Amino acid sequence: EIVLTQSPGTLSLSPGERATLSCRASQSLSSSSLVWYQQKPAQAPRLLIFGASIRATGIPDRFSGSGSGTDFTLTISRLEPEDFAVYFCQYYGSTGTFGQGTRVAIK
Amino acid sequence: QVHLQESGPGLVRPSQTLSLTCSVSGGSINSGGYYWTWMRRHPGKGLEWIGHIYYSTNVPGRTNYTPSLKGRLTISLDTSKNQFSLRLDSVTAADTAVYICARDRGRLVDGYYYGLDVWGQGTTVTVSS
Repeated sequence: EIVLTQSPGTLSLSPGERATLSCRASQSLSSSSLVWYQQKPAQAPRLLIFGASIRATGIPDRFSGSGSGTDFTLTISRLEPEDFAVYFCQYYGSTGTFGQGTRVAIK
Repeated sequence: QVHLQESGPGLVRPSQTLSLTCSVSGGSINSGGYYWTWMRRHPGKGLEWIGHIYYSTNVPGRTNYTPSLKGRLTISLDTSKNQFSLRLDSVTAADTAVYICARDRGRLVDGYYYGLDVWGQGTTVTVSS
């Protein structure tokens, strides 16, 4: 069973700062099946990144994904006020699995 | 725009069966090509993928379940009602969670997994006597 561990649990930053979020897998993954979501309070999650590094339609270029194997990263180059939210990774191999999420909070 | 809505009992007794339904509006399961998915979130924890059922005209009901729930879990489709359902047998307190249904685009012909694109709001289920 694949386990995805996200860190940190909470990231406290100011608007304009860079956010770096980690998603680490218990075994090597196929990058083509790693996605990232953003979720705001009382809203459904929104797909940001698929294929570990490809922005979904309409996602601003300040969001980028990278990584391979067991280590994946979501980077927000300069935080906008609307970016303060929870972010979580998901992998679909033989079954699905989610990371527990990282909250990006206003410092 | 496709909308999903979960329904079912908020309280289930231990050892009984949990049955939940996800009603699909704004689109038809019969259009095919999607994985109709159930997840849950335990209090204070992250999302747990439970399982899904795939529908297409050629493959009218292929299921995939998380190993930890196999033997207790059944996911089914009712295309006439445009809904899909979850049945979890022999529940315990560990099954207390918010249950969420969603539509999954799956892995497309380009090889990429495109993730969950439509989500329900979730329904809280408590297992208690």
